[in-house]
Amino acid sequence: KAGVTQTPRYLIKTRGQQVTLSCSPISGHRSVSWYQQTPGQGLQFLFEYFSETQRNKGNFPGRFSGRQFSNSRSEMNVSTLELGDSALYLCASSSNIGAVLDYTFGSGTRLTVV
Amino acid sequence: AQKITQTQPGMFVQEKEAVTLDCTYDTSDQSYGLFWYKQPSSGEMIFLIYQGSYDEQNATEGRYSLNFQKARKSANLVISASQLGDSAMYFCAMREFNTGTASKLTFGTGTRLQVTL
Repeated sequence: KAGVTQTPRYLIKTRGQQVTLSCSPISGHRSVSWYQQTPGQGLQFLFEYFSETQRNKGNFPGRFSGRQFSNSRSEMNVSTLELGDSALYLCASSSNIGAVLDYTFGSGTRLTVV
Repeated sequence: AQKITQTQPGMFVQEKEAVTLDCTYDTSDQSYGLFWYKQPSSGEMIFLIYQGSYDEQNATEGRYSLNFQKARKSANLVISASQLGDSAMYFCAMREFNTGTASKLTFGTGTRLQVTL
């Protein structure tokens, strides 16, 4: 069974640009959550999608957005990139909102903003 | 507000020895879950063990056990018989089940474990 797939694995962008990251959940999983990991702020919850609807949102500016498609794949977008957006972005999928034991993380996308 | 505290930024342990990684939490929710994850340098978060707030027995998964002390709000991870491959960052995390944020995990700052020969 394939795991959670995040693409691309690494990304370098220039300040002011925008970026789109992709997350393909485990087959059958319908919930996708996104996290940002930085040395300064640690791991922080960005948002969660289920059945193509955002169900939960963390405390991030509107430059951070996401969406989920009918096949449960999710994308997150960051517009007008800032140096502080450099981070490891992790997504996690689960079969349902609140599911515990099948909550699985991908390997992350490492974004560098220069 | 929910909060996870890991007070050990780094720990060293000799191979084959046991090690305890500390985690305390704060929540007003009666229904919550506690998780431990391992993050090697590659970046992926690997699930290790889970303890529900209503579970009466401490969770165990192979060499990992969770020392859950509810009254003290602590959920320490014990790794027995450490191996060189255990060297990684370890994160304690919590999920509250009654606050409408069901899938959101709150993480601690992590403990970097180094296993030595």
